Parts: sequence; structure tokens; C-alpha cells
Amino acid sequence: AQSVTQLGSHVSVSEGALVLLRCNYSSSVPPYLFWYVQYPNQGLQLLLKYTTGATLVKGINGFEAEFKKSETSFHLTKPSAHMSDAAEYFCAVSEMDNNDMRFGAGTRLTVKP
Amino acid sequence: DTGVSQNPRHKITKRGQNVTFRCDPISEHNRLYWYRQTLGQGPEFLTYFQNEAQLEKSRLLSDRFSAERPKGSFSTLEIQRTEQGDSAMYLCASSLDGAGDGYTFGSGTRLTVV
Repeated sequence: AQSVTQLGSHVSVSEGALVLLRCNYSSSVPPYLFWYVQYPNQGLQLLLKYTTGATLVKGINGFEAEFKKSETSFHLTKPSAHMSDAAEYFCAVSEMDNNDMRFGAGTRLTVKP
Repeated sequence: DTGVSQNPRHKITKRGQNVTFRCDPISEHNRLYWYRQTLGQGPEFLTYFQNEAQLEKSRLLSDRFSAERPKGSFSTLEIQRTEQGDSAMYLCASSLDGAGDGYTFGSGTRLTVV
């Protein structure tokens, strides 16, 4: 079965600094990969997704992620952090459109002024 | 499109009581999913519907849990004889087809069992 490991349960950056949130996946077939963001007491919002095609995907709020098959990674980046980016971020994997999307444990992003 | 709606937002119940949550998906979405999220963890898959048919259930879904989606529209998740370990955020999501579309999540129902 597919699984996701998010490296670092908590990442802290200064406003304006690069954001890098790490995600490694395990899948026996080509995966679909996702990043979601969750603000306190809210549901999850889709930031971006990779299904097929271009391995560098751009999402909302200036985030992007690159699918690297050789490294089984799908790290999330943003060139310049904003205070409003502070939230919990979840990486998720689904195996070729099955119906069991698996989530990582999440990474809490803190942005310091 | 008003998004995925979940009610209630919060529920406090005494151990042993039954509770029911409701989810209204995006109207044109065929698929509906229930997840459970405990503090500090990612969402865990519970069950999934395609239209009115419940097609998959996680082993996490004990016999005290039941979910329905009559007429393929809204869905309910009932927990019977609640236990303290059931305290969690229960998230509903919907999608047009499969995961390739990405899921749209509701704001969740936070259950506290005292």
C-alpha cells in the first residue's frame, strides 16, 4: 500500500525566506501526489497536485513542488515566506486514482517576523 | 458552488451516547469520503461512496460506525456507543471522479467524548 513520510514535524522560517517542506512517498505503481494546507479548526485546502506530465507543478499562493521519481520525493517550496503561510501542511499520495488517499503526519510551518 | 458543508462543527457527547454527523458534498461530485483526524496526525481514511454505493471501508471503521449516502446526495456518519478514543475531527471530502481531481474537504466536525 502507498504511504507518505513528511520529514520534520515543525519548520520555522523568517518572513521572506525560502520555504522547503519535505515529502517522500512509497508506492508500487505510478502515484498521484498532493499537497494540502490546513489552517486551525478548518478543513484541508488543495495547494497543488501531480498526476502525469510536467514534474514541476505550480499551485496556489506561490507554492510549487517537483516530482522526482528517482528520489521518491515531492518536496514543497515557496521562494519567499509570508506570515499568512503559517499553517499545517500535509503531503498525500494515491495510487493511480484508487480511492484511498494516504496522508503524511503533517508539517507545521511557523513564519517569524 | 458552496463547497463541502459539514454539520455540526462541534459536538460534545457523553461516553456511550450515539452521535450523527452530516456532510453535504459539492452537488455535482459523485464521490464522497470520510476521514478521521486526531491531534498532530494526518487524516486517516474511513470510507468512500460513489453515488449511493459504499464501495470501500477501512479497518478503522469498527462495527460501531456506520455511514450512509441515501440517493447519492448528502451523507451521514453515525457512531454508536461513543468511546473517549472516538474524540477526533471527522472530515468529509468530495470529488468529481477519482483522486486525480483532488479532494475538496469540508471544515470538519470536531467530536469530544467526555
